[in-house]
Amino acid sequence: NAGVTQTPKFQVLKTGQSMTLQCAQDMNHNSMYWYRQDPGMGLRLIYYSASEGTTDKGEVPNGYNVSRLNKREFSLRLESAAPSQTSVYFCASSARGLGGNTIYFGEGSWLTVV
Amino acid sequence: TQLLEQSPQFLSIQEGENLTVYCNSSSVFSSLQWYRQEPGEGPVLLVTVVTGGEVKKLKRLTFQFGDARKDSSLHITAAQPGDTGLYLCMTTDSWGKLQFGAGTQVVVTP
Repeated sequence: NAGVTQTPKFQVLKTGQSMTLQCAQDMNHNSMYWYRQDPGMGLRLIYYSASEGTTDKGEVPNGYNVSRLNKREFSLRLESAAPSQTSVYFCASSARGLGGNTIYFGEGSWLTVV
Repeated sequence: TQLLEQSPQFLSIQEGENLTVYCNSSSVFSSLQWYRQEPGEGPVLLVTVVTGGEVKKLKRLTFQFGDARKDSSLHITAAQPGDTGLYLCMTTDSWGKLQFGAGTQVVVTP
């Protein structure tokens, strides 16, 4: 089972360059998320999409844009990368069940901005 | 301030020892999940606890949800190097948003 697939796995950017992280899920989930994870900071929500066609800012949205292309895909774009955006990025999707939300993560994208 | 406070932040033990990590809050939750994140991977769900006082076992891992549903613990018996990872608790807050604790980094050395 593919689950949540994100690309690229690793990327090095120069300050000011732009790039898009791609994410797709095959579990028919309505909700999708982009997190960044930094040492000592835990998982911080960048943007989320509760359903196709909607996106909302999370805790740390500055410097990022997102697109919910369809129900499967949710991309994250860095328009002008900054060293502060060096991080590990996780895409995720969630399903709500009797036990509350369960979130499924991709394997992560390691981004370095030099 | 974080909704979920995890402790300790870091735990290093020898293979065969036991350990407990905690997830606490001042809020009441309808449910709580525990995830484990291994190096180079995304977090993966271990268990969901729903009922106050509930105890769930997953092989050598024992999860407990507090009676008041404000706290949870994860106990690992006879830890193995494969238990090494970041353990995260997660819940859904009253606004429907997912909230994660900062995590407990567990290192089990042979």
